[in-house]
Amino acid sequence: KNEVEQSPQNLTAQEGEFITINCSYSVGISALHWLQQHPGGGIVSLFMLSSGKKKHGRLIATINIQEKHSSLHITASHPRDSAVYICAVSRSYNTDKLIFGTGTRLQVFP
Amino acid sequence: ETGVTQTPRHLVMGMTNKKSLKCEQHLGHNAMYWYKQSAKKPLELMFVYNFKEQTENNSVPSRFSPECPNSSHLFLHLHTLQPEDSALYLCASSQEDSYYGYTFGSGTRLTVV
Repeated sequence: KNEVEQSPQNLTAQEGEFITINCSYSVGISALHWLQQHPGGGIVSLFMLSSGKKKHGRLIATINIQEKHSSLHITASHPRDSAVYICAVSRSYNTDKLIFGTGTRLQVFP
Repeated sequence: ETGVTQTPRHLVMGMTNKKSLKCEQHLGHNAMYWYKQSAKKPLELMFVYNFKEQTENNSVPSRFSPECPNSSHLFLHLHTLQPEDSALYLCASSQEDSYYGYTFGSGTRLTVV
Protein backbone atom coordinates (compact mmCIF):
# COMPACT_ATOMS: atom_id res chain seq x y z
CA LYS A 1 0.00 0.00 0.00
CA ASN A 2 1.33 3.42 -0.97
CA GLU A 3 1.99 5.89 1.82
CA VAL A 4 0.12 8.50 -0.22
CA GLU A 5 -3.13 7.54 -1.90
CA GLN A 6 -5.10 9.68 -4.29
CA SER A 7 -8.61 9.37 -5.62
CA PRO A 8 -9.94 9.26 -8.18
CA GLN A 9 -7.20 8.07 -10.54
CA ASN A 10 -9.00 9.53 -13.53
CA LEU A 11 -11.59 12.26 -13.67
CA THR A 12 -13.50 13.82 -16.51
CA ALA A 13 -15.62 16.93 -16.19
CA GLN A 14 -17.55 19.43 -18.25
CA GLU A 15 -16.34 22.97 -18.34
CA GLY A 16 -17.68 24.91 -15.39
CA GLU A 17 -18.02 21.96 -13.03
CA PHE A 18 -16.69 21.96 -9.49
CA ILE A 19 -13.93 19.37 -9.08
CA THR A 20 -12.54 17.66 -6.00
CA ILE A 21 -9.46 15.49 -5.84
CA ASN A 22 -8.67 13.66 -2.61
CA CYS A 23 -5.42 12.64 -0.98
CA SER A 24 -4.90 10.44 2.08
CA TYR A 25 -1.57 9.66 3.69
CA SER A 26 -0.39 7.27 6.34
CA VAL A 27 2.86 8.83 7.60
CA GLY A 28 3.60 11.76 9.86
CA ILE A 29 4.22 14.86 7.81
CA SER A 30 5.33 18.44 8.14
CA ALA A 31 3.83 19.59 4.87
CA LEU A 32 1.64 18.43 2.03
CA HIS A 33 2.09 19.58 -1.54
CA TRP A 34 -0.24 19.72 -4.49
CA LEU A 35 1.50 19.68 -7.85
CA GLN A 36 0.25 20.01 -11.41
CA GLN A 37 1.89 18.16 -14.29
CA HIS A 38 1.00 19.06 -17.85
CA PRO A 39 1.39 16.65 -20.79
CA GLY A 40 4.85 18.01 -21.62
CA GLY A 41 6.07 16.72 -18.27
CA GLY A 42 6.89 19.91 -16.40
CA ILE A 43 5.61 20.11 -12.85
CA VAL A 44 4.28 23.22 -11.18
CA SER A 45 3.92 23.52 -7.44
CA LEU A 46 0.38 24.68 -6.65
CA PHE A 47 0.26 24.61 -2.88
CA MET A 48 2.30 23.70 0.13
CA LEU A 49 0.28 23.50 3.31
CA SER A 50 0.57 22.14 6.80
CA SER A 51 -2.81 23.16 8.22
CA GLY A 52 -6.12 24.69 7.29
CA LYS A 53 -6.85 25.98 3.84
CA LYS A 54 -5.17 27.91 1.04
CA LYS A 55 -6.72 29.56 -2.00
CA HIS A 56 -5.17 30.72 -5.22
CA GLY A 57 -7.52 31.90 -7.94
CA ARG A 58 -9.94 29.06 -8.70
CA LEU A 59 -7.93 26.54 -6.74
CA ILE A 60 -8.51 25.71 -3.08
CA ALA A 61 -6.52 23.22 -1.00
CA THR A 62 -7.53 21.99 2.42
CA ILE A 63 -5.87 19.68 4.88
CA ASN A 64 -7.10 17.85 7.97
CA ILE A 65 -4.06 16.77 9.96
CA GLN A 66 -6.02 14.61 12.40
CA GLU A 67 -7.66 12.66 9.60
CA LYS A 68 -4.50 12.68 7.42
CA HIS A 69 -6.49 13.87 4.47
CA SER A 70 -6.29 16.70 1.98
CA SER A 71 -8.50 17.87 -0.86
CA LEU A 72 -7.82 19.98 -3.91
CA HIS A 73 -10.84 21.80 -5.31
CA ILE A 74 -11.14 23.52 -8.66
CA THR A 75 -14.05 25.89 -9.08
CA ALA A 76 -15.49 26.77 -12.51
CA SER A 77 -13.22 24.24 -14.23
CA HIS A 78 -11.81 25.02 -17.65
CA PRO A 79 -10.21 22.83 -20.36
CA ARG A 80 -6.83 24.38 -19.56
CA ASP A 81 -7.09 22.77 -16.10
CA SER A 82 -6.63 19.40 -17.82
CA ALA A 83 -3.48 17.91 -16.31
CA VAL A 84 -2.29 15.35 -13.80
CA TYR A 85 -2.62 16.55 -10.22
CA ILE A 86 -0.17 15.01 -7.80
CA CYS A 87 -0.31 14.98 -4.02
CA ALA A 88 3.01 14.68 -2.18
CA VAL A 89 4.06 14.84 1.46
CA SER A 90 7.29 15.74 3.17
CA ARG A 91 8.40 14.91 6.68
CA SER A 92 10.36 18.08 7.29
CA TYR A 93 9.43 21.57 6.26
CA ASN A 94 10.52 21.68 2.64
CA THR A 95 14.08 20.38 2.40
CA ASP A 96 13.27 16.72 2.53
CA LYS A 97 12.31 14.13 0.01
CA LEU A 98 8.76 14.12 -1.17
CA ILE A 99 6.63 11.00 -1.11
CA PHE A 100 4.29 11.11 -4.06
CA GLY A 101 0.85 9.81 -4.81
CA THR A 102 0.23 8.27 -8.21
CA GLY A 103 -1.64 11.30 -9.46
CA THR A 104 -5.13 12.09 -10.70
CA ARG A 105 -5.56 12.61 -14.42
CA LEU A 106 -8.14 15.33 -15.01
CA GLN A 107 -9.73 16.07 -18.36
CA VAL A 108 -12.11 19.00 -18.67
CA PHE A 109 -14.18 19.09 -21.83
CA PRO A 110 -15.69 22.25 -23.33
CA GLU B 1 10.10 28.95 -17.20
CA THR B 2 9.92 28.00 -13.55
CA GLY B 3 13.41 29.13 -12.58
CA VAL B 4 14.78 25.60 -12.75
CA THR B 5 16.22 24.83 -16.18
CA GLN B 6 16.95 21.32 -17.37
CA THR B 7 18.86 20.35 -20.48
CA PRO B 8 18.46 18.58 -22.74
CA ARG B 9 14.67 18.27 -22.94
CA HIS B 10 14.92 15.00 -24.86
CA LEU B 11 17.73 12.47 -25.04
CA VAL B 12 18.06 9.19 -26.88
CA MET B 13 21.09 7.13 -26.01
CA GLY B 14 22.44 3.67 -26.60
CA MET B 15 23.25 1.30 -23.77
CA THR B 16 26.99 1.83 -24.21
CA ASN B 17 26.84 5.64 -24.33
CA LYS B 18 27.83 8.11 -21.65
CA LYS B 19 25.72 11.24 -21.33
CA SER B 20 24.91 13.86 -18.72
CA LEU B 21 21.75 15.66 -17.69
CA LYS B 22 22.08 19.20 -16.44
CA CYS B 23 19.97 21.20 -14.02
CA GLU B 24 20.45 24.84 -13.13
CA GLN B 25 18.64 27.13 -10.71
CA HIS B 26 19.29 30.74 -9.78
CA LEU B 27 16.55 30.99 -7.18
CA GLY B 28 18.97 30.96 -4.27
CA HIS B 29 17.70 27.58 -3.14
CA ASN B 30 19.97 25.44 -1.03
CA ALA B 31 18.61 21.99 -1.84
CA MET B 32 18.40 20.23 -5.20
CA TYR B 33 16.89 16.90 -6.15
CA TRP B 34 16.77 14.37 -8.93
CA TYR B 35 13.49 12.51 -9.40
CA LYS B 36 12.60 9.76 -11.83
CA GLN B 37 9.13 9.34 -13.29
CA SER B 38 8.44 6.06 -15.06
CA ALA B 39 5.20 5.32 -16.85
CA LYS B 40 2.28 4.54 -14.53
CA LYS B 41 4.42 4.90 -11.37
CA PRO B 42 4.70 7.67 -8.79
CA LEU B 43 7.68 9.95 -8.93
CA GLU B 44 10.68 8.40 -7.20
CA LEU B 45 13.38 10.32 -5.43
CA MET B 46 16.89 9.50 -6.65
CA PHE B 47 19.25 11.95 -4.98
CA VAL B 48 19.15 14.93 -2.63
CA TYR B 49 21.84 17.58 -2.28
CA ASN B 50 21.69 20.04 0.57
CA PHE B 51 24.26 22.85 0.48
CA LYS B 52 26.14 20.85 -2.19
CA GLU B 53 26.43 17.78 0.06
CA GLN B 54 24.65 14.62 -0.95
CA THR B 55 22.24 13.83 1.87
CA GLU B 56 20.29 11.06 0.26
CA ASN B 57 20.92 8.33 -2.26
CA ASN B 58 17.74 6.41 -2.59
CA SER B 59 19.29 3.03 -3.53
CA VAL B 60 20.01 4.20 -7.05
CA PRO B 61 22.18 1.96 -9.27
CA SER B 62 25.74 3.13 -9.79
CA ARG B 63 25.14 3.65 -13.50
CA PHE B 64 23.54 6.93 -12.35
CA SER B 65 26.13 9.29 -10.89
CA PRO B 66 25.15 12.71 -9.54
CA GLU B 67 27.40 15.72 -9.27
CA CYS B 68 26.70 19.02 -7.54
CA PRO B 69 29.62 21.41 -8.10
CA ASN B 70 27.83 24.36 -6.50
CA SER B 71 24.43 25.16 -5.06
CA SER B 72 23.10 26.33 -8.45
CA HIS B 73 24.04 23.38 -10.62
CA LEU B 74 23.25 19.70 -10.52
CA PHE B 75 24.27 17.02 -12.99
CA LEU B 76 23.24 13.42 -13.50
CA HIS B 77 25.90 11.42 -15.31
CA LEU B 78 24.61 8.37 -17.14
CA HIS B 79 26.58 5.36 -18.36
CA THR B 80 25.73 1.84 -19.50
CA LEU B 81 22.02 2.37 -18.95
CA GLN B 82 19.34 -0.21 -19.56
CA PRO B 83 16.14 0.20 -21.59
CA GLU B 84 14.13 0.13 -18.34
CA ASP B 85 15.91 3.35 -17.34
CA SER B 86 13.88 5.16 -19.99
CA ALA B 87 11.82 7.70 -18.09
CA LEU B 88 11.28 11.37 -17.40
CA TYR B 89 14.01 12.73 -15.13
CA LEU B 90 12.98 15.77 -13.15
CA CYS B 91 15.17 18.17 -11.24
CA ALA B 92 13.76 20.24 -8.40
CA SER B 93 15.04 22.76 -5.90
CA SER B 94 13.79 24.11 -2.61
CA GLN B 95 14.68 26.48 0.18
CA GLU B 96 14.02 25.64 3.79
CA ASP B 97 11.18 27.64 5.28
CA SER B 98 10.19 28.93 1.89
CA TYR B 99 6.51 29.66 1.36
CA TYR B 100 6.78 28.51 -2.22
CA GLY B 101 7.73 24.89 -1.68
CA TYR B 102 9.49 23.05 -4.42
CA THR B 103 10.27 24.34 -7.89
CA PHE B 104 10.55 21.74 -10.62
CA GLY B 105 12.25 21.83 -13.96
CA SER B 106 10.51 20.71 -17.13
CA GLY B 107 12.33 17.39 -17.14
CA THR B 108 14.47 15.42 -19.54
CA ARG B 109 12.69 12.68 -21.43
CA LEU B 110 15.28 9.90 -21.70
CA THR B 111 14.99 6.95 -24.06
CA VAL B 112 17.56 4.17 -23.85
CA VAL B 113 17.78 2.04 -26.98
